[in-house]
Amino acid sequence: IAGITQAPTSQILAAGRRMTLRCTQDMRHNAMYWYRQDLGLGLRLIHYSNTAGTTGKGEVPDGYSVSRANTDDFPLTLASAVPSQTSVYFCASSHSGANVLTFGAGSRLTVL
Amino acid sequence: GQQVMQIPQYQHVQEGEDFTTYCNSSTTLSNIQWYKQRPGGHPVFLIQLVKSGEVKKQKRLTFQFGEAKKNSSLHITATQTTDVGTYFCGSNFGNEKLTFGTGTRLTIIP
Repeated sequence: IAGITQAPTSQILAAGRRMTLRCTQDMRHNAMYWYRQDLGLGLRLIHYSNTAGTTGKGEVPDGYSVSRANTDDFPLTLASAVPSQTSVYFCASSHSGANVLTFGAGSRLTVL
Repeated sequence: GQQVMQIPQYQHVQEGEDFTTYCNSSTTLSNIQWYKQRPGGHPVFLIQLVKSGEVKKQKRLTFQFGEAKKNSSLHITATQTTDVGTYFCGSNFGNEKLTFGTGTRLTIIP
């Protein structure tokens, strides 16, 4: 079934540890996005990529990095996790920038 | 910055009552998209509006885009338990990034 796969589904992480959330899509979408969802704050864009080889900063990029080595994969890395990064992270993709988004199932991250 | 304000944050309705959520922006929107997120799930695209004054319907759901393209609404007629979830509006403000409102969480009292 075509779509977006995120891993892990959930993770508990000690503060200061490095963590990479994985995202893979098989729809050949050009654009990919990472959002975090927090109660009362909705969905906030962390980083995005319009096409392989390019990335851009969203609304809340600090403490996160991304790479887009190919069309399918868009990993999100927390270099040194902090408790404020406890959240649900959604990866999304679209055929082109600002088009309709398809979301993955999400990754729930808890930083202690 | 470019923001979409969404109200209310929460709404509790009796099953069978109507429900409306509103999105507002201080700047003209190039488009408005609506998504639904079921409890424990992920956002799923519902519809996109691009024209001034546009109205679209999906069964019991009615979506409107304001004449000035600065506001939008989602109205559900005669809510059912399957309508439970959080409804998000979003716009790309003419760029490549989709900015979302904070969402309206709808709960249904059977």
